[in-house]
Amino acid sequence: GAVVSQHPSRVICKSGTSVKIECRSLDFQATTMFWYRQFPKQSLMLMATSNEGSKATYEQGVEKDKFLINHASLTLSTLTVTSAHPEDSSFYICSASGTLAGTSEQYFGPGTRLTVT
Amino acid sequence: GNSVTQMEGPVTLSEEAFLTINCTYTATGYPSLFWYVQYPGEGLQLLLKATKADDKGSNKGFEATYRKETTSFHLEKGSVQVSDSAVYFCALSDVGGSQGNLIFGKGTKLSVKP
Repeated sequence: GAVVSQHPSRVICKSGTSVKIECRSLDFQATTMFWYRQFPKQSLMLMATSNEGSKATYEQGVEKDKFLINHASLTLSTLTVTSAHPEDSSFYICSASGTLAGTSEQYFGPGTRLTVT
Repeated sequence: GNSVTQMEGPVTLSEEAFLTINCTYTATGYPSLFWYVQYPGEGLQLLLKATKADDKGSNKGFEATYRKETTSFHLEKGSVQVSDSAVYFCALSDVGGSQGNLIFGKGTKLSVKP
């Protein structure tokens, strides 16, 4: 099946700094990438949807100036958490969909654990 | 709005036991329904899906039937194995048969003991 990677898997940063998370589709072209956030014992919450070469569409309540999303190529999307605060600590998961076998299935990355101290 | 409710975990079973993880949904229109599985240290994987009422999705011995009358999509397996230990997420998509906008339940952790 299709593989999606995320880097880093874990990151610890200080309050006020920015951190970038990468999401890559390794063996297919991802026309659309999704970024989710998961709190402990909570469901995955969609943060934003990005199409290659276009601006991301953010869900209601998600600050687009704080969570910068770039989808510059068909295999890479990045999420930058700017001026991070402890409340931004969470598990961030990306997914990617393309035109594999005629489906639009989302393939998920393994997630990135962000801890802001 | 649309939502998914699934049973709280964790669920602990012995090998070869019968598994049921309940999932109910609230949605307008006719959503597609999915079960995802997340093995330790890995990303979510699509386990099975159903796109219309009375459809049964099945994979790896797991089954779930789209019940419109009870707005449910319960996951079942007749005989679980240790390798089935994972977190299971029920989800719906309100964008036809695609997955343009997935809404997830909170996940149910399953532990299977030998």
